[in-house]
Amino acid sequence: ETGVTQTPRHLVMGMTNKKSLKCEQHLGHNAMYWYKQSAKKPLELMFVYNFKEQTENNSVPSRFSPECPNSSHLFLHLHTLQPEDSALYLCASSPEPHNEQFFGPGTRLTVL
Amino acid sequence: AQTVTQSQPEMSVQEAETVTLSCTYDTSESDYYLFWYKQPPSRQMILVIRQEAYKQQNATENRFSVNFQKAAKSFSLKISDSQLGDAAMYFCAYSRLKGGADGLTFGKGTHLIIQP
Repeated sequence: ETGVTQTPRHLVMGMTNKKSLKCEQHLGHNAMYWYKQSAKKPLELMFVYNFKEQTENNSVPSRFSPECPNSSHLFLHLHTLQPEDSALYLCASSPEPHNEQFFGPGTRLTVL
Repeated sequence: AQTVTQSQPEMSVQEAETVTLSCTYDTSESDYYLFWYKQPPSRQMILVIRQEAYKQQNATENRFSVNFQKAAKSFSLKISDSQLGDAAMYFCAYSRLKGGADGLTFGKGTHLIIQP
């Protein structure tokens, strides 16, 4: 398997559910990222991890909780989300910070 | 804070013709990277081309080339011999060269339509 993979590809959840998004990169990169893409808005950076250490939390609400157990895996834990959190969530990785990033296919999240 | 502006929400071009997508950015940094990404209907973000700000030569990748004007903070993408597979959203993005891992700052995108 190559590149950046994300599971699930589609997720529908209620506001009281708890779910997790998974990202895995097979590129040997050291930095991983979560982005949110909403309709008619630019991609928004959510979290950055470099060598498993979180280096940026871009004022994201606490109902989103990231986890990076190793440099190949990145999770986004979701709980008590709001309908406005419905969006495409993209994971990306790069060899090191500031290089070009390689993106996964995204998870389409719908919060009912 | 850095900002990236794409002033063309949508562009249309005939197949085999040339089209130019505009991007301007604002930064106080002297060294940085600029990128163009393509997002087809599959939603997979694909890197098209990359430019290092310290390089004066414009980057080129096959039919894709950029016009990088550092003083004007302009970074346009030219697509030559447009093909149906080029139809997608195109995003201009900025990255710092130094400092913490800030991620990419994206513009709002340009929707490119290819007319057969």
